[in-house]
Amino acid sequence: EAQVTQNPRYLITVTGKKLTVTCSQNMNHEYMSWYRQDPGLGLRQIYYSMNVEVTDKGDVPEGYKVSRKEKRNFPLILESPSPNQTSLYFCASSLAGASYEQYFGPGTRLTVT
Amino acid sequence: SQQGEEDPQALSIQEGENATMNCSYKTSINNLQWYRQNSGRGLVHLILIRSNEREKHSGRLRVTLDTSKKSSSLLITASRAADTASYFCATDANTGNQFYFGTGTSLTVIP
Repeated sequence: EAQVTQNPRYLITVTGKKLTVTCSQNMNHEYMSWYRQDPGLGLRQIYYSMNVEVTDKGDVPEGYKVSRKEKRNFPLILESPSPNQTSLYFCASSLAGASYEQYFGPGTRLTVT
Repeated sequence: SQQGEEDPQALSIQEGENATMNCSYKTSINNLQWYRQNSGRGLVHLILIRSNEREKHSGRLRVTLDTSKKSSSLLITASRAADTASYFCATDANTGNQFYFGTGTSLTVIP
């Protein structure tokens, strides 16, 4: 089954404790992306990647890191989480960029206390 | 920011009625997409319309695009309770591969 998976689905952590949210797709897609969703603000793009070893900043990259060492994986790293990073996070992939439909993962609900 | 805005923010209709929601964006685009989200779950792609297209249909969905007004509309005909969800428009910026979502319309279809 074609899908995007994210782990963990729920995470409660404390300020400053490094964490990684994993994202994996099995569709051989070139493009992968991370979004955060906050009430009243819709989805905002954090980082995206056009291919292996190619990553670019989205609208809200501050406080986040990403890497794309393999085509299927695109982890999101919070080196020192803060309470304003409490949000619902989505990973997505598409065949080859923003001109193609995106497939979304189920979401990761992160709470930073 | 390129981020779009949907209008209305919330819409409540009876089953069988048509639902129309609008999206406005700020800069030139290559394409515009509509997505549906059920209660905090992952988004599902509905339809993509390219900047050189004016109208597109998919089942009960009809999307229009007016690039001169930088706006799009999504029409859902003969709505069903299962259509209850939030609907988002999303655009690219024609200079790159960044993706911009609107703020969403919350649709409630009353059985």
